[in-house]
Amino acid sequence: RKEVEQDPGPFNVPEGATVAFNCTYSNSASQSFFWYRQDCRKEPKLLMSVYSSGNEDGRFTAQLNRASQYISLLIRDSKLSDSATYLCVVNKYGGSQGNLIFGKGTKLSVKP
Amino acid sequence: EPEVTQTPSHQVTQMGQEVILRCVPISNHLYFYWYRQILGQKVEFLVSFYNNEISEKSEIFDDQFSVERPDGSNFTLKIRSTKLEDSAMYFCASRTRGGGELFFGEGSRLTVL
Repeated sequence: RKEVEQDPGPFNVPEGATVAFNCTYSNSASQSFFWYRQDCRKEPKLLMSVYSSGNEDGRFTAQLNRASQYISLLIRDSKLSDSATYLCVVNKYGGSQGNLIFGKGTKLSVKP
Repeated sequence: EPEVTQTPSHQVTQMGQEVILRCVPISNHLYFYWYRQILGQKVEFLVSFYNNEISEKSEIFDDQFSVERPDGSNFTLKIRSTKLEDSAMYFCASRTRGGGELFFGEGSRLTVL
C-alpha cells in the first residue's frame, strides 16, 4: 500500500458544485494530517490541517477517520479559483514535524 | 508578508556538473527543509536542518547532496555531480517551531542535460 494514496482525477466540475476528495494513508501511527493546494508549477501551500474532530474553514471541510486511515476534503460552492491540485499530506511517523509525506494529488478543474 | 525566496528560478546544467541552489528562509524561522518534485510526480522530502546540522534525511539524499547554512540568512543545497534523474523542481521550506506551518519557496527548477 502506498504511504499516501489519492484519486488522481481530474475532477471536472461546474462552478457552484460540491466536490469531495479522499485520501488513505498506510501508517496507522501517523500523527499529523494536512491538505495542501498546489497550482500548476507552483509551490505547495497549506490549505488546512486536519483534526480528529473534523474541521471547517469557510467552504472547506476536512475529516479524519483514524480507524480507516482515511482523510477527506469537501469543497462547497466551488469557484473558478479553486482549480488546482489538492495534496493529501501526512507527517512521517517517527520523523520530524517537517518530514511530510505527500500524496500525488487530485487535480480539480472548475468550469464556468 | 514574509516569504521564503529561492534562486535561481531555473537552472540548466550538464550532467556531472555541480549545482548550488540557494534559499533565504523567513528570518525568524529555525527549521529548514529541502523537498523535490520530479515533473508529474509527488513532492518528496530530502532533508531537514536545525541548529546548524542535518536533523533528518531521506534515502534520496545520498552522498551527492549536501546542505549548508553559510551565514545567518542563506540555506543552500549542493548537488556535487548532477545526474539526469536529478532534474526536478527543488523546494526550500522553513518553519518557526516544531509543529508550526511549513512555508515553501517558489522553487528552483533544475534541468540536467
